[in-house]
Amino acid sequence: GAGVSQSPRYKVAKRGQDVALRCDPISGHVSLFWYQQALGQGPEFLTYFQNEAQLDKSGLPSDRFFAERPEGSVSTLKIQRTQQEDSAVYLCASSTEVGTYNEQFFGPGTRLTVL
Amino acid sequence: GNSVTQMEGPVTLSEEAFLTINCTYTATGYPSLFWYVQYPGEGLQLLLKATKADDKGSNKGFEATYRKETTSFHLEKGSVQVSDSAVYFCALTNAGKSTFGDGTTLTVKP
Repeated sequence: GAGVSQSPRYKVAKRGQDVALRCDPISGHVSLFWYQQALGQGPEFLTYFQNEAQLDKSGLPSDRFFAERPEGSVSTLKIQRTQQEDSAVYLCASSTEVGTYNEQFFGPGTRLTVL
Repeated sequence: GNSVTQMEGPVTLSEEAFLTINCTYTATGYPSLFWYVQYPGEGLQLLLKATKADDKGSNKGFEATYRKETTSFHLEKGSVQVSDSAVYFCALTNAGKSTFGDGTTLTVKP
């Protein structure tokens, strides 16, 4: 009965480095979401997948951000050439399917600090 | 676009006090509304939800009613406990995309 897991839990990067953040959703969950949460604010939508298809990436803040879910399970959020403004907690969530009614199950997040 | 505005915190109450955390929203179409809670050191978890107008969501003594006429989804609890201390997020989901408020920190003192 594992929940959503994310790794690493903490990441410190020097400005300009590339980072990759991993999300393992609940087994069998079709939908997967990525959010960015700045300190003292609520999660901001980045992108979501239904199986391996990325259905909406309108929240990705720049072309330095890229997400993939090649086999419809594990997902990776990649940030290229990190900037200080990328410092935030990155949350992953999964749900049984995409839909207005469905509860999302959240992982613990990855706290990214860019120096 | 969609947006959620919730009462700014922090909120500090004594045990057994009545709690209200206000939440209002703007959205196109017919969103579902949610309250999520984040206990210290833990991830976000669903507290309650309502999927259509006039629905009431309830869980653990908390309640919220989906009011379309006032575009609100206020969270209430009649008697808070120390264990309710957490950050509470109001959210809406519309066409698969979720929009969250900025969270309200609740501290309950014995």
